[in-house]
Amino acid sequence: AQTVTQSQPEMSVQEAETVTLSCTYDTSESDYYLFWYKQPPSRQMILVIRQEAYKQQNATENRFSVNFQKAAKSFSLKISDSQLGDAAMYFCAYRSAMGQGGSEKLVFGKGTKLTVNP
Amino acid sequence: DAGITQSPRHKVTETGTPVTLRCHQTENHRYMYWYRQDPGHGLRLIHYSYGVKDTDKGEVSDGYSVSRSKTEDFLLTLESATSSQTSVYFCATGAGRQETQYFGPGTRLLVL
Repeated sequence: AQTVTQSQPEMSVQEAETVTLSCTYDTSESDYYLFWYKQPPSRQMILVIRQEAYKQQNATENRFSVNFQKAAKSFSLKISDSQLGDAAMYFCAYRSAMGQGGSEKLVFGKGTKLTVNP
Repeated sequence: DAGITQSPRHKVTETGTPVTLRCHQTENHRYMYWYRQDPGHGLRLIHYSYGVKDTDKGEVSDGYSVSRSKTEDFLLTLESATSSQTSVYFCATGAGRQETQYFGPGTRLLVL
């Protein structure tokens, strides 16, 4: 079974600075998707970024980018020019692309709470 | 995202009573999912649906049942609520099996 580990329960960053959140995963599959979701105090789960494992190029979305290291099974999220609105829980998630029954589920890490200090 | 609403948003109930949570989507997505979120566990899949009347179990399905009689609605039923089912429940939808899942606003359930 796949597992996702976020080793940093909490992180903090100064406004306008850069922060990197770590995520590692364990899988024997070669084809899969990785996601970062943001959960602000409103509890809404918001997709931040998505990475397909077959793509070598790291995904970026404005101030958010990932460092995807497939061999190391690492998928870190970098937030540049941090803003107060970035304060939230961030969840890393894995999803198989193998097309078998039950592969549709997202496997989540336990989350990293990010605090942004003014 | 994806026009997903959940009702109710908050509910307090007593042990042993049945509870039904509703997820409604306006995006005509084929796939719908129910997750629960608990401290220290992240989100875990309860059940999912891959079409009208087509459902399957997730990793924490015991004590839950689901139904999907039309594309836009996915119901989660706790047959006899227990305190261990106190949680925040999220519905998610996806256009296809490999498509990104988008989440509803969540339902906070407290079982006394």
